[in-house]
Amino acid sequence: AQTVTQSQPEMSVQEAETVTLSCTYDTSENNYYLFWYKQPPSRQMILVIRQEAYKQQNATENRFSVNFQKAAKSFSLKISDSQLGDTAMYFCAFMKPLYNNNDMRFGAGTRLTVKP
Amino acid sequence: DTEVTQTPKHLVMGMTNKKSLKCEQHMGHRAMYWYKQKAKKPPELMFVYSYEKLSINESVPSRFSPECPNSSLLNLHLHALQPEDSALYLCASSQGGDEKLFFGSGTQLSVL
Repeated sequence: AQTVTQSQPEMSVQEAETVTLSCTYDTSENNYYLFWYKQPPSRQMILVIRQEAYKQQNATENRFSVNFQKAAKSFSLKISDSQLGDTAMYFCAFMKPLYNNNDMRFGAGTRLTVKP
Repeated sequence: DTEVTQTPKHLVMGMTNKKSLKCEQHMGHRAMYWYKQKAKKPPELMFVYSYEKLSINESVPSRFSPECPNSSLLNLHLHALQPEDSALYLCASSQGGDEKLFFGSGTQLSVL
């Protein structure tokens, strides 16, 4: 079974600064995907970024980038130029693709507060 | 249309009631999911449907009964729930096995 660990229950950052959220996972699978989802107070789950395990290049989406270390099973999220709207719960997720569907599991989450 | 629509948004029910949660998507996705999320906890997988057939059942109690009547619709029938079943119930869909999940905004369920 796959496990996802987020060791930082809460973090805060000043507006416009950079913050890094940590995530480690444990799996024996070779083919998998990793995600960061954001859940603001509205509780809508919003995809932030996705990484395919077979790709060495780290994924980036505007101000969001990841540091994917496959051998270390580490998948951290860096948020640059933090904005007040980035305040949310962030979940790291491991996805094992199955035939025509998938099995996605989440870490415990990191609550991020961006301070003005 | 890239939305997953869940109704109702809020539901309060007694332990003897029967109610249903509804989830709908029109993106042509063939996999649909139910997750349960307690306050300040991550979503936990309950059920996965693939091509309208139950693919994953995470040993969920029988008081929760999923149904996938067609490729666009997913229901969760509730009967004889307990107060500890109070949670946010999230529905999601995906195109295939290697695709991201699109989530609905959830149904906040309170069992009295």
